Amino acid sequence: DAGVIQSPRHEVTEMGQEVTLRCKPISGHDYLFWYRQTMMRGLELLIYFNNNVPIDDSGMPEDRFSAKMPNASFSTLKIQPSEPRDSAVYFCASSSRGTGVYNEQFFGPGTRLTVL
Amino acid sequence: GEDVEQSLFLSVREGDSSVINCTYTDSSSTYLYWYKQEPGAGLQLLTYIFSNMDMKQDQRLTVLLNKKDKHLSLRIADTQTGDSAIYFCAVLDGNNNDMRFGAGTRLTVKP
Repeated sequence: DAGVIQSPRHEVTEMGQEVTLRCKPISGHDYLFWYRQTMMRGLELLIYFNNNVPIDDSGMPEDRFSAKMPNASFSTLKIQPSEPRDSAVYFCASSSRGTGVYNEQFFGPGTRLTVL
Repeated sequence: GEDVEQSLFLSVREGDSSVINCTYTDSSSTYLYWYKQEPGAGLQLLTYIFSNMDMKQDQRLTVLLNKKDKHLSLRIADTQTGDSAIYFCAVLDGNNNDMRFGAGTRLTVKP
C-alpha cells in the first residue's frame, strides 16, 4: 500500500478564499483523523471518522471548517472562508484497530497551508 | 477526555542522553505510544508500552511508565544529530479507545 495520501502538499491562498484538502486513507482502515500542527500550539485533533461517520468534531475550530468522508477511500477538509491564522500543516491519519500495533495511526505527509 | 501534556522544546548536546517527559490524566489508559516526526514529514510510530509494564528498552530508547503519577518518559541514549525531530506522546483512553496526542516536544541536538 502507498500509505496515506494527501493532496495538495502545499497550498498558498489569499484570505477569504475557499481551501479544500484531500486525503486517501490506507485501504482497509476504518478510522480517519484530521490534525492541524502549528509551532505555537503543536498537534491538534480536529475531527475523526469511523466507518465514514464523524465521531468527534469537538476540535474543529469554528464553522468555517467542515470535513466530509463520502466513502471509505476519500475525505476532505474544507475551510471557507480562509484566514491567515489558519496557516498550518494539516495531517490526515488512518488506523485499523484489528491489525498490527493496536490503534497505531499512520500519518500522511501533510499539507502545508499558507493563507496570505 | 484525556489530556496529554508535554513541554514543547528540549535542547541537548550530541552524545548526551535526552529525556522527553509526558503526563496524562486518564488512569484507565491501556496503551501508551511515542511517535517521531522528522522534518517535513508526518508522524511515525517509534515505540509503545502496555500499561501493565514499567519499562521497555529498544536499543538506544528506554520508555519508563509511572502509572501512579501518570508519567511517561522517553530516554534516548547517546543522542545524535539525526535524532533531532519532534517527539509525540500518545495515550489510548481505556474508556472509549480514543488515542490522544500531546502537542509534541521539539528535540534539538547540538554538535
